Amino acid sequence: EAGVVQSPRYKIIEKKQPVAFWCNPISGHNTLYWYLQNLGQGPELLIRYENEEAVDDSQLPKDRFSAERLKGVDSTLKIQPAELGDSAVYLCASSPRAGEAYEQYFGPGTRLTVT
Amino acid sequence: QQQVKQSPQSLIVQKGGISIINCAYENTAFDYFPWYQQFPGKGPALLIAIRPDVSEKKEGRFTISFNKSAKQFSLHIMDSQPGDSATYFCAAGRGGSNYKLTFGKGTLLTVNP
Repeated sequence: EAGVVQSPRYKIIEKKQPVAFWCNPISGHNTLYWYLQNLGQGPELLIRYENEEAVDDSQLPKDRFSAERLKGVDSTLKIQPAELGDSAVYLCASSPRAGEAYEQYFGPGTRLTVT
Repeated sequence: QQQVKQSPQSLIVQKGGISIINCAYENTAFDYFPWYQQFPGKGPALLIAIRPDVSEKKEGRFTISFNKSAKQFSLHIMDSQPGDSATYFCAAGRGGSNYKLTFGKGTLLTVNP
């Protein structure tokens, strides 16, 4: 069974430019998470999807960040415009359903560098 | 407000030794406490988890000890191996319809051969 797929793995952009990250969760997983991981820190939840619905986006900086999960499968996270402080690893995770009984499977992440 | 405090920040252990990583939490609503292991360039992977109704859980060389009254839990890695060298994150989860995990800052474990 394939794991969570993310692309690109690395991205370098100049500040004020837009950037997008793509995630393909494990087949059949209805719940999808986007996390932000700064260097030397643990992952921090940005947004959680249940199928197509964003059920928790309270930590998503909506002035510059947006996300979508069309058809309840793949998801895209976008930043426009990027700032220097956005340099981090963006992790996608999925689980069959939300809840502690369901393990979250993480992808390898996209490392973003904003110059 | 940091809801899950993890220590130490880094840890060096000799092969065969015991690695101990500690976490403390503040929110008594947390009811699920997993530990994740992360290798460089990879995403975190669930290692072991515990619910507050038990004080200890063991899986192979990995043991979680849980102290509900002190709001603390720890990961013990017995017979540590160089392959265990990774970053370890504790986390705390709050159940219900708004389920989410709050992670600690991580501990970089190095096991010397």
